[in-house]
Amino acid sequence: EAGVAQSPRYKIIEKRQSVAFWCNPISGHATLYWYQQILGQGPKLLIQFQNNGVVDDSQLPKDRFSAERLKGVDSTLKIQPAKLEDSAVYLCASSLGGVGAGWVVEQFFGPGTRLTVL
Amino acid sequence: LAKTTQPISMDSYEGQEVNITCSHNNIATNDYITWYQQFPSQGPRFIIQGYKTKVTNEVASLFIPADRKSSTLSLPRVSLSDTAVYYCLVGGDYGGATNKLIFGTGTLLAVQP
Repeated sequence: EAGVAQSPRYKIIEKRQSVAFWCNPISGHATLYWYQQILGQGPKLLIQFQNNGVVDDSQLPKDRFSAERLKGVDSTLKIQPAKLEDSAVYLCASSLGGVGAGWVVEQFFGPGTRLTVL
Repeated sequence: LAKTTQPISMDSYEGQEVNITCSHNNIATNDYITWYQQFPSQGPRFIIQGYKTKVTNEVASLFIPADRKSSTLSLPRVSLSDTAVYYCLVGGDYGGATNKLIFGTGTLLAVQP
């Protein structure tokens, strides 16, 4: 079974530039998550999609970050304009549905995109 | 969501059993306890999940006392490849914005030969 795919793996930009990350979840997974992981910290959830609808974006800096999930499959996360503090690894994860399951369903993570803002 | 507390780091040797304890004093009735493992330059990987007593799978065991205010991840006979960061997470499915995983700083396990 193919895992979660992300691209690019690495990206270096200057502050105030724009950048976009792409994620292809595991086939059949209804829920998709974007996390930000700063060096030395655990991942922080930015946004959660259920199919193509947003379930939780409470920690997404909406003045500069945006995300979409077209047709309930692939997703893109964009930063415009980037700041130095956005340097981090951006992780995409997916899971089978989950709402109403009772337990916390297993999330499958991609390899991440390492962003460096200069 | 309940906050968790774990040791920042632990050291072990190959072949030993490693126990990583997590404290979650404010765990809610419907919360489950989940552990993830993360290697450098990779995303976290699910290890095990439990609600109470003991859960065992092919890679680890999870011990949860009756009051559920703590839990212990047990890794039998660790090898060098078990060197990683281990995250303890507590959460439940409450409908709406569910399955939210809140990662702390985790425990860095260093296995030496």
